[in-house]
Amino acid sequence: GQSLEQPSEVTAVEGAIVQINCTYQTSGFYGLSWYQQHDGGAPTFLSYNALDGLEETGRFSSFLSRSDSYGYLLLQELQMKDSASYFCAVKEGNTPLVFGKGTRLSVIA
Amino acid sequence: DAGVIQSPRHEVTEMGQEVTLRCKPISGHNSLFWYRQTMMRGLELLIYFNNNVPIDDSGMPEDRFSAKMPNASFSTLKIQPSEPRDSAVYFCASSSGGVGYTEAFFGQGTRLTVV
Repeated sequence: GQSLEQPSEVTAVEGAIVQINCTYQTSGFYGLSWYQQHDGGAPTFLSYNALDGLEETGRFSSFLSRSDSYGYLLLQELQMKDSASYFCAVKEGNTPLVFGKGTRLSVIA
Repeated sequence: DAGVIQSPRHEVTEMGQEVTLRCKPISGHNSLFWYRQTMMRGLELLIYFNNNVPIDDSGMPEDRFSAKMPNASFSTLKIQPSEPRDSAVYFCASSSGGVGYTEAFFGQGTRLTVV
């Protein structure tokens, strides 16, 4: 089976940078995904990392270290609209994504 | 594309009643997933289909839950009889690329309340 650990809550100031960490335990690891979910909304895809390193998409970046079973999501130039829950999810072989419990990010002025 | 469409958006029902949730995946996607989200347990996979065939239903909590996918454009999740502990948001998601997919597209969910 798989297990993922991520902080339950993070608070950051508008304009700042925040990093949300995710550690996982799994066999047959294929990749790590990140999803964003606003209150009352659907999870939406942010990124997928299959290889070690940092991938950047605009203000959001995602990092993976396969040897450490660790990844993080980096959000820069935080905006109020970034307040949401962020989920890491592992892809293990030909099985569906398994999601972590999510990190609730609150952006304050 | 309209995205994944779920209905109803909200459902309130009495304990013991049958509940049917509906999902229309994105056209051309060949995998469909049903997830349940609660504060305590997060997003749990209930069942998934590939090319309309159920592949893994080990996440279905009890025999009260059943899911079907009669064709590529429609799936249902049925709870009979419903119980208060079934109250949750139920999401349907679809993806392309078969079992090796990397991105799933979620519907807006059905918020189920069983009283």
